[in-house]
Amino acid sequence: AQSVTQPDIHITVSEGASLELRCNYSYGATPYLFWYVQSPGQGLQLLLKYFSGDTLVQGIKGFEAEFKRSQSSFNLRKPSVHWSDAAEYFCAVYGQNFVFGPGTRLSVLP
Amino acid sequence: DADVTQTPRNRITKTGKRIMLECSQTKGHDRMYWYRQDPGLGLRLIYYSFDVKDINKGEISDGYSVSRQAQAKFSLSLESAIPNQTALYFCATSDYPGGVRGYTFGSGTRLTVV
Repeated sequence: AQSVTQPDIHITVSEGASLELRCNYSYGATPYLFWYVQSPGQGLQLLLKYFSGDTLVQGIKGFEAEFKRSQSSFNLRKPSVHWSDAAEYFCAVYGQNFVFGPGTRLSVLP
Repeated sequence: DADVTQTPRNRITKTGKRIMLECSQTKGHDRMYWYRQDPGLGLRLIYYSFDVKDINKGEISDGYSVSRQAQAKFSLSLESAIPNQTALYFCATSDYPGGVRGYTFGSGTRLTVV
């Protein structure tokens, strides 16, 4: 069965600082991996996805993620966080359907 | 207009009442899904439908039912609402195969059962 863990429930960073959100997955085959962002009062928006090929994938809003098969990880990164990045972030793995992680809430200090 | 529209956006209902949440889409996608979101639990799949004649239970279908009235419409019903069904509900759509482009989500329905 597929599963996703996000070890950090809540992260706070200062504006302009770098960011890394962790995601670990369990899946028996080569996974399709996704990161979604949910702003307050909004639905989920796709940030980026990985299917195959280059293990470093670029997404919208300056985000990137790196797939590491040996660590079963797909961590999300951003070099310089903006106040508008404050939101909840979900990692997901796709098998027959999506399985979402519990989410990481990001707060940004001015 | 939004690609995936959920109505109502917010609803407060009493225990034991029947309530229906509606979802309509203009994406032309065959696959539609209902999820509920609870703090710390992420999104959990309630029901999904791969076409009008196909309805499948997700991991937490007890206490819920669905109806796929047309390709564009997928409704979620709570036959007798209970307080632990208080949550944020999302409808989503995808094309086939659904993993290639991810989901398109509605803006959610916040349901409170008192």
